[in-house]
Amino acid sequence: NAGVMQNPRHLVRRRGQEARLRCSPMKGHSHVYWYRQLPEEGLKFMVYLQKENIIDESGMPKERFSAEFPKEGPSILRIQQVVRGDSAAYFCASSPRQGSEAFFGQGTRLTVV
Amino acid sequence: GESVGLHLPTLSVQEGDNSIINCAYSNSASDYFIWYKQESGKGPQFIIDIRSNMDKRQGQRVTVLLNKTVKHLSLQIAATQPGDSAVYFCAEILDNYGQNFVFGPGTRLSVLP
Repeated sequence: NAGVMQNPRHLVRRRGQEARLRCSPMKGHSHVYWYRQLPEEGLKFMVYLQKENIIDESGMPKERFSAEFPKEGPSILRIQQVVRGDSAAYFCASSPRQGSEAFFGQGTRLTVV
Repeated sequence: GESVGLHLPTLSVQEGDNSIINCAYSNSASDYFIWYKQESGKGPQFIIDIRSNMDKRQGQRVTVLLNKTVKHLSLQIAATQPGDSAVYFCAEILDNYGQNFVFGPGTRLSVLP
């Protein structure tokens, strides 16, 4: 049973480009969480999704950021028109149900140049 | 001893000693808590969890204590080893609907030879 898979592991984008980060949850997990982490800091919640539904996006910036978790395929975190301040590690976690343990992927490190 | 670094507080312990990492959580309504370990360049790794109807839970070499009166959580690591060096985060679930995990700021554990 593979763990949470995130790709790419490293992503470099120029300012103004789009970044697409993918997360495949563990088998049997229908809950996905996205977090952002700056160096030497904690994890900041961004969005919580279940299959085809956004449950809580209170941590998402209002502009340029969007997330989806389609019926088939991975969850996608999309950042449009990236700026240098978007550079960070983005982690995805999955859980089988509400109120249960969440397991993290290895993250995608986004660098905006 | 403990010191506050630029971003993360650091706890330094001698190899073989016991470590105690503390966390103050924010919401008295939180009913589920998890401790995660994060090594450099990796995603958070689940260590142990506890529900609010318990005040203590033990795993292999680790014990989590929950004090709901003062909203305090601690992680005890017995016979600390070099491989325990990492950043440790506590996470809480804030509500029963659209739950998302809120992470504490983290503590860096440094094991001295």
